[in-house]
Amino acid sequence: QVQLQESGPGLVKPSQTLSLTCTVSGGSISGGSYYWSWIRQPAGKGLEWIGRIYISGSPNYNPSLKNRVSMSIDTSKNQFSLKLSSVTAADTAVYYCARFYWFFDLWGRGTLVTVSS
Amino acid sequence: EIVLTQSPGTLSLSPGERATLSCRASQSVSSSSLAWYQQNPGQAPRLLIYGASSRATGIPDRFSGSGSGTNFTLTISRLEPEDFAVYYCQQSDSSYIFGQGTKLEIK
Repeated sequence: QVQLQESGPGLVKPSQTLSLTCTVSGGSISGGSYYWSWIRQPAGKGLEWIGRIYISGSPNYNPSLKNRVSMSIDTSKNQFSLKLSSVTAADTAVYYCARFYWFFDLWGRGTLVTVSS
Repeated sequence: EIVLTQSPGTLSLSPGERATLSCRASQSVSSSSLAWYQQNPGQAPRLLIYGASSRATGIPDRFSGSGSGTNFTLTISRLEPEDFAVYYCQQSDSSYIFGQGTKLEIK
């Protein structure tokens, strides 16, 4: 059974870079025609797609975050990662990694990232 | 950019009642790209419906989806206590956009 698990610092200072990793277990990140995505949710608010990456090709990002986001994938570690630069308090949210194939069928449990000095 | 508007924002019903949740798109989206998710407090969203009307694995048949073009509906035929949650629609025709959610609460 494939599972996703987010990991990374829970506290990031303003203007710094948020870095998260999603580890895929129970299956290969290279198996199937899946896109691997990051989605975030501020407390009490809705879901915002951040970006997606495939095992090959360029990642795609939400235009509203495009200038600050980068994603990468490491097939040898079965992981994909998110970096969000120049963070502010508005980037405080639960960050989810998710698998996409026409729909988001598999989600990690999410990790809370707080931006604060 | 496609905008998804869900209504109502909050729906108050009792167990056993029927729930009808609406998702309206600002422009036509393909049915294959429309999905519904359920989110309970402190948990990740869970896929309920994909392709506008197909139930995901393990989803009870009291959940059904319908619609096309700009109007989509999620129906829960008889509410169970565990169905009270927040529901999101999402489209993938143009980027990946979620609606703002409908909170289904116990009356």
